[in-house]
Amino acid sequence: ETGVTQSPTHLIKTRGQQVTLRCSSQSGHNTVSWYQQALGQGPQFIFQYYREEENGRGNFPPRFSGLQFPNYSSELNVNALELDDSALYLCASSGGTGSAGELFFGEGSRLTVL
Amino acid sequence: GQSLEQPSEVTAVEGAIVQINCTYQTSGFYGLSWYQQHDGGAPTFLSYNALDGLEETGRFSSFLSRSDSYGYLLLQELQMKDSASYFCAVRDMGRRALTFGSGTRLQVQP
Repeated sequence: ETGVTQSPTHLIKTRGQQVTLRCSSQSGHNTVSWYQQALGQGPQFIFQYYREEENGRGNFPPRFSGLQFPNYSSELNVNALELDDSALYLCASSGGTGSAGELFFGEGSRLTVL
Repeated sequence: GQSLEQPSEVTAVEGAIVQINCTYQTSGFYGLSWYQQHDGGAPTFLSYNALDGLEETGRFSSFLSRSDSYGYLLLQELQMKDSASYFCAVRDMGRRALTFGSGTRLQVQP
């Protein structure tokens, strides 16, 4: 069983640029969610996709957008990067036979905005 | 909205027992989860309480009281490898997204 994989693991951007982060969900999982984790904080929910449709969104502006593909992999796009966007971005998948409160996280993409 | 409170840091010695508390305010949720995260690593699932009471998984146990809006994670026979951050999280009704607390950093000392 393949776990959740994310790419890239680290990247550096400058303010105003755009970034795309990628996630392959765990086999058999049809739901993907994205979280932003600032240093020393808990993950903050960005949005969730189920069968290619966004079905939940946290308190993030529209410049955070996403996609889910037919194979359930996903992308997170952030436009007009700001310094405060520097964080670890975590992808999580669910929808298999695990517990209702169980998400499977990838190792994350660490974004630094200069 | 949802908010969760947990202590920022806890220190304990190897072999001891430690309890990490979590209080929450929520308009409705399915249950309380606990996650462990080592520095530089991914959060990993530890336990989930959908109903009031105690759930035990090896050295870890988790408790939920909906009437008190309170839960805790109990770690027994602490090992050095248990040094990590621990997060409580509630699952919102209607979706699988989680709202996390700000985390408790556990330091296990020899």
